[in-house]
Amino acid sequence: GAVVSQHPSWVICKSGTSVKIECRSLDFQATTMFWYRQFPKQSLMLMATSNEGSKATYEQGVEKDKFLINHASLTLSTLTVTSAHPEDSSFYICSAQGRETQYFGPGTRLLVL
Amino acid sequence: DAKTTQPPSMDCAEGRAANLPCNHSTISGNEYVYWYRQIHSQGPQYIIHGLKNNETNEMASLIITEDRKSSTLILPHATLRDTAVYYCIVWKTTGNTGKLIFGQGTTLQVKP
Repeated sequence: GAVVSQHPSWVICKSGTSVKIECRSLDFQATTMFWYRQFPKQSLMLMATSNEGSKATYEQGVEKDKFLINHASLTLSTLTVTSAHPEDSSFYICSAQGRETQYFGPGTRLLVL
Repeated sequence: DAKTTQPPSMDCAEGRAANLPCNHSTISGNEYVYWYRQIHSQGPQYIIHGLKNNETNEMASLIITEDRKSSTLILPHATLRDTAVYYCIVWKTTGNTGKLIFGQGTTLQVKP
């Protein structure tokens, strides 16, 4: 099956710093990628849809200036959490659109101190 | 996209079949039923999907009722590694760029 990777798998940072998370489709090209966030004991919440070569589409309530998304190629999308605060601590998961379904990355756990 | 209803939790004995139900009474004609699962602290894993016919792959079988208002995911011989949260999602894949919206899912606990 299709493989999606994320890097890093976990990150700890100080409050006020920015963190970049990479999402790569390893064996297929993805025009569209998606970013989700998951808090403990909750379901995945879609944050934004990332389209190659164009601006991302953000879900209601997600600050586009805080969560910067760049989809510069057909195999790479990045999510940058700017000026991170402890409430941004979460599990961030990306997915890439394949032919018939979405394939998910393993997730990135972010802890902001 | 149509919403789905799943029981919050289920138990299953190891080696037995696990039958996970899902109601999607407002599904429309061009929406597929997708199943994913999420093992603790991992990204979701695609299991199977179908439109109206029953489907089977190496992981599971999907039974969709004739009126398409409900479906059942069947894991024929559950193992401890099948313990996970199982999500039933109704998804309109027009242009293959539709959004997957996750509900609360069913937590399946496979017991020895």
